[in-house]
Amino acid sequence: DADVTQTPRNRITKTGKRIMLECSQTKGHDRMYWYRQDPGLGLRLIYYSFDVKDINKGEISDGYSVSRQAQAKFSLSLESAIPNQTALYFCATSDLDNQPQHFGDGTRLSIL
Amino acid sequence: GESVGLHLPTLSVQEGDNSIINCAYSNSASDYFIWYKQESGKGPQFIIDIRSNMDKRQGQRVTVLLNKTVKHLSLQIAATQPGDSAVYFCAEKVANSKLTFGKGITLSVRP
Repeated sequence: DADVTQTPRNRITKTGKRIMLECSQTKGHDRMYWYRQDPGLGLRLIYYSFDVKDINKGEISDGYSVSRQAQAKFSLSLESAIPNQTALYFCATSDLDNQPQHFGDGTRLSIL
Repeated sequence: GESVGLHLPTLSVQEGDNSIINCAYSNSASDYFIWYKQESGKGPQFIIDIRSNMDKRQGQRVTVLLNKTVKHLSLQIAATQPGDSAVYFCAEKVANSKLTFGKGITLSVRP
């Protein structure tokens, strides 16, 4: 079983819909992250959380929100999806500072 | 602003040769660096990391070199195999700050 699991793996939806992407991990890590990947732009950080009570904005948080329901679960929501949010979304986890982040296999989101 | 970049967008190597993937970083305060490999349809996979108090670190068939003087990071893959074909990312980090990723370079291995 994967250590970092993202659901769904693929999603097609329409402009204006509310979307939730989910991430769960079995690594026991406190830190969790949501990234967006676009061609030619690399990975950009949307939100991150260092523990259950901690939520921090990344560099591109506008239009997104997150919820850290438990140590193992971190969900990303798009309240009202727009076409330019079409991208690959990755969840990652890490243990301490200056430790590698471990990624899920991503959610491919298309907004029509 | 600070940036992490890669010199070449694509690299083609012959199977069995050594590969060298280069990365320039601009934040002299960065103290932690990572290389990731990303295969099609998958998330980035950790390859190797290095802290700024080191110049070199070796893994299985991979070596990372850090030159802080010129702010340069490289990943060397020995005896490149078809399974090494992927996109490779470098990333840098300042302590207690976020990881900043480069845009990625595609490694293509010719049989």
